[in-house]
Amino acid sequence: KQEVTQIPAALSVPEGENLVLNCSFTDSAIYNLQWFRQDPGKGLTSLLLIQSSQREQTSGRLNASLDKSSGRSTLYIAASQPGDSATYLCAVEYGNKLVFGAGTILRVKS
Amino acid sequence: GAGVSQSPSNKVTEKGKDVELRCDPISGHTALYWYRQSLGQGLEFLIYFQGNSAPDKSGLPSDRFSAERTGGSVSTLTIQRTQQEDSAVYLCASRTEEGRNTEAFFGQGTRLTVV
Repeated sequence: KQEVTQIPAALSVPEGENLVLNCSFTDSAIYNLQWFRQDPGKGLTSLLLIQSSQREQTSGRLNASLDKSSGRSTLYIAASQPGDSATYLCAVEYGNKLVFGAGTILRVKS
Repeated sequence: GAGVSQSPSNKVTEKGKDVELRCDPISGHTALYWYRQSLGQGLEFLIYFQGNSAPDKSGLPSDRFSAERTGGSVSTLTIQRTQQEDSAVYLCASRTEEGRNTEAFFGQGTRLTVV
């Protein structure tokens, strides 16, 4: 069964800290992995997409890594800001669908 | 518009009624997905359309749910004889299909409440 797990379920940090969100997946036959953020009552905003042949992707203060053989991805957020507070979702593409984790709720305190 | 558009944004319906939810994908995007997000739950795959190929309906939870995509663009998700457990946010996403390694873009969702 293709399952995606995100740890931790929730995280609270003071402003300015660097942090890491974790995503693991059971089936390594992936096309790609995508990180999203979701603000309360809103849709999903794409942050980064890592192709299965890639090891990492960077966008601004965000860096995502992928280790396909071990079934893991991390999202690193540098110098966190209160505006980063949201739910972060990891999605793995298999065939015709994206399989999502349950998300990590991040709160950055000012 | 530039993004995926869904309507209505909110829908309250009585148990037993039929509802239609609409999704306008980004122009030129050939792939379209429907997902459901229930309170406290993760995103649940419902259906996938790709160009003129037969849709992947493997995620539809019952035969009360159906979806169509006309002209390879706008999609409608229909729920017949709604039940209270159908209450959720229904999200639509679209993407291009160039080598599969393209980002999926989501709409803001339709919040469905069955009373």
